[in-house]
Amino acid sequence: NAGVTQTPKFQVLKTGQSMTLQCAQDMNHEYMSWYRQDPGMGLRLIHYSVGAGITDQGEVPNGYNVSRSTTEDFPLRLLSAAPSQTSVYFCASSDGLVYEQYFGPGTRLTVT
Amino acid sequence: GENVEQHPSTLSVQEGDSAVIKCTYSDSASNYFPWYKQELGKRPQLIIDIRSNVGEKKDQRIAVTLNKTAKHFSLHITETQPEDSAVYFCAARYINTDKLIFGTGTRLQVFP
Repeated sequence: NAGVTQTPKFQVLKTGQSMTLQCAQDMNHEYMSWYRQDPGMGLRLIHYSVGAGITDQGEVPNGYNVSRSTTEDFPLRLLSAAPSQTSVYFCASSDGLVYEQYFGPGTRLTVT
Repeated sequence: GENVEQHPSTLSVQEGDSAVIKCTYSDSASNYFPWYKQELGKRPQLIIDIRSNVGEKKDQRIAVTLNKTAKHFSLHITETQPEDSAVYFCAARYINTDKLIFGTGTRLQVFP
């Protein structure tokens, strides 16, 4: 099993550009989520999904969109990148919220 | 609101000493409290978790205690070793919104 994979590992964007961060898991997990990690602010929940076709907002959803058309994939879209979105982004999956969250390796995004 | 407070933000101990990290949550209905360890440049990984029907759980040198009345839980690491140096995150599941909310992290440094 590959577990949770994320692409790309690193990305530099200019302000106003859009892009999609990819996340996939091969563990047949229903629950998937996106977090951003900033120094001193821990892991903040952006969006999450409890199953294919179902998504919901987390703590900091503004500027991001998600979709969940399959169980395996949960892409995160940045609509119009801003310097405040410079961060490390982690995708995670689990069997549910009372089970271990398996994190991907992260994507380091810089917006200039 | 949905938040998890974590203290201290940094902790330095001598090898062999104990380390304690404390977290508080706001929803008395929360029922799941995991702890994650993140080594430098790596993804967070679960080290121990506790459910609300249990007051304490141990796994070798690591233990977690839960006080539901006071709405706080703590991570205890005994006989610390240099390889325990990392950032530790607590989290709490908020039932009404089905979210896992993380604390802001504690950077633990164990000096030989």
